[in-house]
Amino acid sequence: AQKVTQAQTEISVVEKEDVTLDCVYETRDTTYYLFWYKQPPSGELVFLIRRNSFDEQNEISGRYSWNFQKSTSSFNFTITASQVVDSAVYFCALSDLSGTYKYIFGTGTRLKVLA
Amino acid sequence: DVKVTQSSRYLVKRTGEKVFLECVQDMDHENMFWYRQDPGLGLRLIYFSYDVKMKEKGDIPEGYSVSREKKERFSLILESASTNQTSMYLCASSPLGTSGSYEQYFGPGTRLTVT
Repeated sequence: AQKVTQAQTEISVVEKEDVTLDCVYETRDTTYYLFWYKQPPSGELVFLIRRNSFDEQNEISGRYSWNFQKSTSSFNFTITASQVVDSAVYFCALSDLSGTYKYIFGTGTRLKVLA
Repeated sequence: DVKVTQSSRYLVKRTGEKVFLECVQDMDHENMFWYRQDPGLGLRLIYFSYDVKMKEKGDIPEGYSVSREKKERFSLILESASTNQTSMYLCASSPLGTSGSYEQYFGPGTRLTVT
């Protein structure tokens, strides 16, 4: 069965600290896609990244980086030098062949960056 | 930019009322989705549609129905609203993909309160 676990319900950091948000997934498919979304206080989920199961290269985009490890079924998200504007709820999601068009979302991690 | 709009940001309805939540996207996407978001539960899929007049049940369809008469519009209907349907409702759209490989674009959400 598909499952996405975000064990960290809430994280608080002080501005400029680095922070890592964990995401562990379960799927029986060999082809699948992983996503991260950001939900700021305004409520609208914003797409951050998509990664397919055949590409295990880590990705960096500015202060954001993602570490995909199939061996541990994890797709972790790191924010370097966090800023107050990074405060949001972050969701990890999985889509695979058995789910057709469906996505399975984790329960989200609320990140609070304190000035 | 993809734009997904929802008819209301906030809605208050009485128990037993019929409620319509409207969603419109302007990017000619084939897929559209309705989720509800509750604290600690993440996003749960109610219904989705991959074409006009086509619909598929998600994980929690009970008490809801949907309508997709035009490609750009996907409506969620609460036939007889109940207090346990008080929630944030999120609409999303995405291009057609063979395995849900495309990111979803979300609307701002409708916070529905049923009293």
